[in-house]
Amino acid sequence: AQSVTQPDIHITVSEGASLELRCNYSYGATPYLFWYVQSPGQGLQLLLKYFSGDTLVQGIKGFEAEFKRSQSSFNLRKPSVHWSDAAEYFCAVGAPWMGNQGGKLIFGQGTELSVKP
Amino acid sequence: DARVTQTPRHKVTEMGQEVTMRCQPILGHNTVFWYRQTMMQGLELLAYFRNRAPLDDSGMPKDRFSAEMPDATLATLKIQPSEPRDSAVYFCASGLAPRGRVEQYFGPGTRLTVT
Repeated sequence: AQSVTQPDIHITVSEGASLELRCNYSYGATPYLFWYVQSPGQGLQLLLKYFSGDTLVQGIKGFEAEFKRSQSSFNLRKPSVHWSDAAEYFCAVGAPWMGNQGGKLIFGQGTELSVKP
Repeated sequence: DARVTQTPRHKVTEMGQEVTMRCQPILGHNTVFWYRQTMMQGLELLAYFRNRAPLDDSGMPKDRFSAEMPDATLATLKIQPSEPRDSAVYFCASGLAPRGRVEQYFGPGTRLTVT
């Protein structure tokens, strides 16, 4: 079955430290890939997306993600975390083979990020 | 700054009552999604529409939930009758869909509590 896995439920990092959040997918072909962030009481905000082409994708707020086909992964990174980055992060995948009938996303369970001063 | 808007933001109701949630997608977006978020189940897709036509509502309990798009600027999600297990945050999202490449933009959600 198609699935998205975020292995880490909760991660704590110190402010200024680097961050990597993991995302693995199980699909028969390369899906569209997304990362979203959700602050408490808010909706989800799109951080970055991968459709095709360059496997290193830059997003907003200093985040980047790298698509690795061999590992079926799309990990999110940030070189230096700020206290305001504390939030929940969701990886999501879409199905390009559905063409104009597509568009829906399957979301991972989320990773909650805490930032220590 | 274009945003998806949802009303109401909070709703407390008693079991058995009808609940209607509304969503105004971003102007020009042709795809609208309804999600439900709970601690136990995470984010679940309930239904989505393209050009106001339902594409998939398989995630929605058909006996009590209904979703419609009366026009391109309004999407509604209705629960009748509501039950305590429907307590959750309901999100609407919208996007454009060139060849299925949809970037979804989320509204702030409606927090529903059914007592």
